[in-house]
Amino acid sequence: NAGVTQTPKFRVLKTGQSMTLLCAQDMNHEYMYWYRQDPGMGLRLIHYSVGEGTTAKGEVPDGYNVSRLKKQNFLLGLESAAPSQTSVYFCASRTGSNQPQHFGDGTRLSIL
Amino acid sequence: DAKTTQPPSMDCAEGRAANLPCNHSTISGNEYVYWYRQIHSQGPQYIIHGLKNNETNEMASLIITEDRKSSTLILPHATLRDTAVYYCIVRGSGNTPLVFGKGTRLSVIA
Repeated sequence: NAGVTQTPKFRVLKTGQSMTLLCAQDMNHEYMYWYRQDPGMGLRLIHYSVGEGTTAKGEVPDGYNVSRLKKQNFLLGLESAAPSQTSVYFCASRTGSNQPQHFGDGTRLSIL
Repeated sequence: DAKTTQPPSMDCAEGRAANLPCNHSTISGNEYVYWYRQIHSQGPQYIIHGLKNNETNEMASLIITEDRKSSTLILPHATLRDTAVYYCIVRGSGNTPLVFGKGTRLSVIA
């Protein structure tokens, strides 16, 4: 049972480059989330999805885009990476209204 | 969603019970209390959640006061591996995502 899988685990980018982070879940969960965590701080919500084909903005959406074309996948895109986007990115998913979110192991992204 | 207040840090001796408090005085009737922890820079790990009754699972117990304005997470026999940041989060039903605060940094000491 893989749960929530994030790809890649580590990445270094140069300023201005683009990339896509992939989150895949095998639990048939409706809800999926992208958070970022900066050093010494709590998690902040970037975007989320309440079902296939839907997306919504979270607390810090600027500079990111997302897509949920398939129920099991939630993609986070950086069109033009900036050093301020250096962070650890966590994906999560859940089912049902009062069920807990389950998190992936994170993607560590550095932008030079 | 109701906000929560947690102490920034706590210490606990190995083998003793760790009792982590959380205040959520503005909680509303349909909001659940969730507890997560984060070890080093790993992904947050779900521990337990509840609405108004006390809950217990293989990891911990959750005690919610009768007025629901506060709760306590209990790790019955803390080990060094329980050293982590513990987050208490209140969330309603529906689409609302979890909102993380700063949590409590628990240090289990040998």
